[in-house]
Amino acid sequence: DADVTQTPRNRITKTGKRIMLECSQTKGHDRMYWYRQDPGLGLRLIYYSFDVKDINKGEISDGYSVSRQAQAKFSLSLESAIPNQTALYFCATSEPPINEQFFGPGTRLTVL
Amino acid sequence: TQLLEQSPQFLSIQEGENLTVYCNSSSVFSSLQWYRQEPGEGPVLLVTVVTGGEVKKLKRLTFQFGDARKDSSLHITAAQTGDTGLYLCAGYKVNFNKFYFGSGTKLNVKP
Repeated sequence: DADVTQTPRNRITKTGKRIMLECSQTKGHDRMYWYRQDPGLGLRLIYYSFDVKDINKGEISDGYSVSRQAQAKFSLSLESAIPNQTALYFCATSEPPINEQFFGPGTRLTVL
Repeated sequence: TQLLEQSPQFLSIQEGENLTVYCNSSSVFSSLQWYRQEPGEGPVLLVTVVTGGEVKKLKRLTFQFGDARKDSSLHITAAQTGDTGLYLCAGYKVNFNKFYFGSGTKLNVKP
C-alpha cells in the first residue's frame, strides 16, 4: 500500500464550485505539505502543517484553504474554483531533521 | 522569479551519452534534494546532500553540493532510456522550515 495517498486522482469541475482534495499518510510524519505543479514552474508551496494545531501559508495560498484533521490527514479546499487553478496538486510528508519529502501520486484538477 | 534555477530546461540525448543538470541559486541552503518524476506520478527522492562540497554516487548518478551550499549538479553517466523523466532539485532552508523547488529539467533519453 502507498504511504501517501490522494483522492480524487482526477477531477473536472466548473468555475465557482467548491472542491476538496484529500491526503492521507501512513508514514507517521508530523509534517505535511500541499504543492501545486504547473508546466515550467516546478512545484510551488500552497500550505504546510507541522502538527495538527499548526497551519502555515506557503508562497501561493490565495484562493486555497486547508484543514489538518489528524496527524495522518491534510485536506486542501478551493472555496470557489477558477480556471487558473487548473493544475496538478501534490501532497507530501516529511520528518526532521533531514526532512526528506515523500509525495503522493497527485490530483489532476481541471476547472472549466 | 524562482529561488532555484535549473538548467537546461529540456535535454534530449541518445542512450549511452553522459549529461549534467545544474541547480543554481544566490541563496544558501541547509540541504538540497534531487527528485525524479515520471508522468502521472509524484516526485521520488533520489538523494539528499547536506555538507558543502559533498559528492554522492548512486550507481550511474553522481550528485554534488557546492562548497558554499548554493548550487548542486547531477551527472548521469551512460544514460539509459529508463532515466527519462523530470528531474527536480529542492533546497531546504531550516530558518524558514520550507523547501524551494527548481522548475525542473525534462530529460528524454532516446534508444
